[in-house]
Amino acid sequence: GAGVSQSPRYKVTKRGQDVALRCDPISGHVSLYWYRQALGQGPEFLTYFNYEAQQDKSGLPNDRFSAERPEGSISTLTIQRTEQRDSAMYRCASSLEWGANEKLFFGSGTQLSVL
Amino acid sequence: QKEVEQDPGPLSVPEGAIVSLNCTYSNSAFQYFMWYRQYSRKGPELLMYTYSSGNKEDGRFTAQVDKSSKYISLFIRDSQPSDSATYLCAMRGGGNKLTFGTGTQLKVEL
Repeated sequence: GAGVSQSPRYKVTKRGQDVALRCDPISGHVSLYWYRQALGQGPEFLTYFNYEAQQDKSGLPNDRFSAERPEGSISTLTIQRTEQRDSAMYRCASSLEWGANEKLFFGSGTQLSVL
Repeated sequence: QKEVEQDPGPLSVPEGAIVSLNCTYSNSAFQYFMWYRQYSRKGPELLMYTYSSGNKEDGRFTAQVDKSSKYISLFIRDSQPSDSATYLCAMRGGGNKLTFGTGTQLKVEL
């Protein structure tokens, strides 16, 4: 596609429910990143993949958060047993080359609201 | 203390003004420095990228890095209303994780 596509654009869920956020990176991009951005803050790193391999998940807040990219393209970020503190904008980004993450292309994000 | 500090603003300037945006950082391992621009309800987009210390110019934009002071700047010349956005500094060391500042909200007024 023309850019990084994320779905859904908005997600409202009740506390305790599981949610799955989807990211479709730019075609051919090797690396895929998940960031979380609170209102008025910069993006905060969660995890990243090169192809299908999860290279770094040090930013995932706790074990309720997980991510996968099984075929090296589309990625899913899953949050289990959501809590109100999980409410934020979740952004996906991709880059063309392995490690060349200076030029990240960000999607428009999924705004998650946990009630 | 955050690794990257950035004044959130808002910063309001008249059209045509020179804008100076800044970040300070504490991690001496940071080597790669970036500026991203983020329009409302959009994802950040890369504006400038600099490796190590020095200056880089691209059109109306100049990025400066002073590693000895752990201080980076972005200058915008002849600012336009279309430059109104949030500007995020970002940086990394040898790994792939970018650390962002909080962003400075800029408004360029007619």
